[in-house]
Amino acid sequence: GENVEQHPSTLSVQEGDSAVIKCTYSDSASNYFPWYKQELGKRPQLIIDIRSNVGEKKDQRIAVTLNKTAKHFSLHITETQPEDSAVYFCAASIRSDYKLSFGAGTTVTVRA
Amino acid sequence: GAVVSQHPSRVICKSGTSVKIECRSLDFQATTMFWYRQFPKQSLMLMATSNEGSKATYEQGVEKDKFLINHASLTLSTLTVTSAHPEDSSFYICSAAQPTGHNEQFFGPGTRLTVL
Repeated sequence: GENVEQHPSTLSVQEGDSAVIKCTYSDSASNYFPWYKQELGKRPQLIIDIRSNVGEKKDQRIAVTLNKTAKHFSLHITETQPEDSAVYFCAASIRSDYKLSFGAGTTVTVRA
Repeated sequence: GAVVSQHPSRVICKSGTSVKIECRSLDFQATTMFWYRQFPKQSLMLMATSNEGSKATYEQGVEKDKFLINHASLTLSTLTVTSAHPEDSSFYICSAAQPTGHNEQFFGPGTRLTVL
């Protein structure tokens, strides 16, 4: 099955700086790569996703890049704010079965 | 947007009892629902895939006789934790996929289960 690895496990940044989280996946058939933000005790919230026919996608301060050849994708958060502090999860999925395989998560702390 | 509800949000039970958790898609029909378990400071682990009108597909290592899943309609899936023990205490989250081929899953708010 799909194996998704995520790094780093924790990330502390100064407010206003950028944060980058990287993930790799193992199954070349994966074609959907969402990123979730989860606050303590809450549901995961989709913040951005990318499909395999696209190399990069941006939504305001958040961007995701995908390198299918290397089988890795990254989340970039620019101009970080304290409210960006949360746990972020990457995931990978094959369109045919919808199943999501999650990375281990990254705890992001934005220092004011 | 698509909304998924989950009930109850929190449950405390005695060891040996059974607990039922409901997952509903409120404004769309979900042919496929998923059940995840999340232990503190860990990732979401898929337990099973629930398809309307058919038996659930369980992930390796998940006991199907302990975690009973029923997907009786296109908007409701239930997870019953049978004979719960303290090690079953966890955050259980469901999600539902729209049959649009876009892969996006919509998550319920989760159920915090504590077994005493």
